[in-house]
Amino acid sequence: DTAVSQTPKYLVTQMGNDKSIKCEQNLGHDTMYWYKQDSKKFLKIMFSYNNKELIINETVPNRFSPKSPDKAHLNLHINSLELGDSAVYFCASSVSRTSENIYFGEGSWLTVV
Amino acid sequence: KNEVEQSPQNLTAQEGEFITINCSYSVGISALHWLQQHPGGGIVSLFMLSSGKKKHGRLIATINIQEKHSSLHITASHPRDSAVYICAVRSWGADGLTFGKGTHLIIQP
Repeated sequence: DTAVSQTPKYLVTQMGNDKSIKCEQNLGHDTMYWYKQDSKKFLKIMFSYNNKELIINETVPNRFSPKSPDKAHLNLHINSLELGDSAVYFCASSVSRTSENIYFGEGSWLTVV
Repeated sequence: KNEVEQSPQNLTAQEGEFITINCSYSVGISALHWLQQHPGGGIVSLFMLSSGKKKHGRLIATINIQEKHSSLHITASHPRDSAVYICAVRSWGADGLTFGKGTHLIIQP
C-alpha cells in the first residue's frame, strides 16, 4: 500500500485549462503539504494544511487552490493554467506540523502546452 | 542567497569510492532531512537529524548544530546510488521544509 498517493502521475494540458491533482494519505497524519519542483529541480513549499488551517506560501499565485475534503486528502486545483506552471508537484504528509518525519508522494508531472 | 546551500552541485565518482555531500544552512532549525530522488522518481526520506549522527547501511549522516552544517556520506558507493541528494531543513516555527538545490551524484561502474 502506498502511504502517500497522487493522481495523475502525468498530465499534459493546454494553456488556460483548469486541472486538479489529487493526493491521499493512509497514514492517519494530520498535516499535508504541496511542494513544487521546477525545471531546475528546485523544490519549494506551496501549501501546508493542518486541522483545517491552511498556510499559504505568499509567492503562490491565487490560481492555485488546495481543497481538503477530509484530513486524508489534499487536492490541488489550478485554474487558467500557464506555461510556467509546468513542473512536478509533490504531495507530502506528516503526523503534525511539528512532526519531523515527512512522507512524500511519487509526484505528478504537469506539462502545459 | 538560498537559506540552504549544498555542495557539490554535481559529483561523478567511480564505484567503490567514499562520497561526501555537504549542506550548510543559515537559519535556526528543528530538524534537517536528507532526501534521495532517482531520475523520474519520487522523493524518499533517507534521514531526519536534529543532532549527532545516524547510520543506515552504507549511508551515514552527521549534523553540527553549532556550525549549521550537515554531511551525507556514502561508503563503498555503487551505481544504484546514482541520484539527486537533497538537503532540507525545517526552520523553527516554519511550515514545511526549505530545500537545497540538490547534489546530482553519478557513480560509474
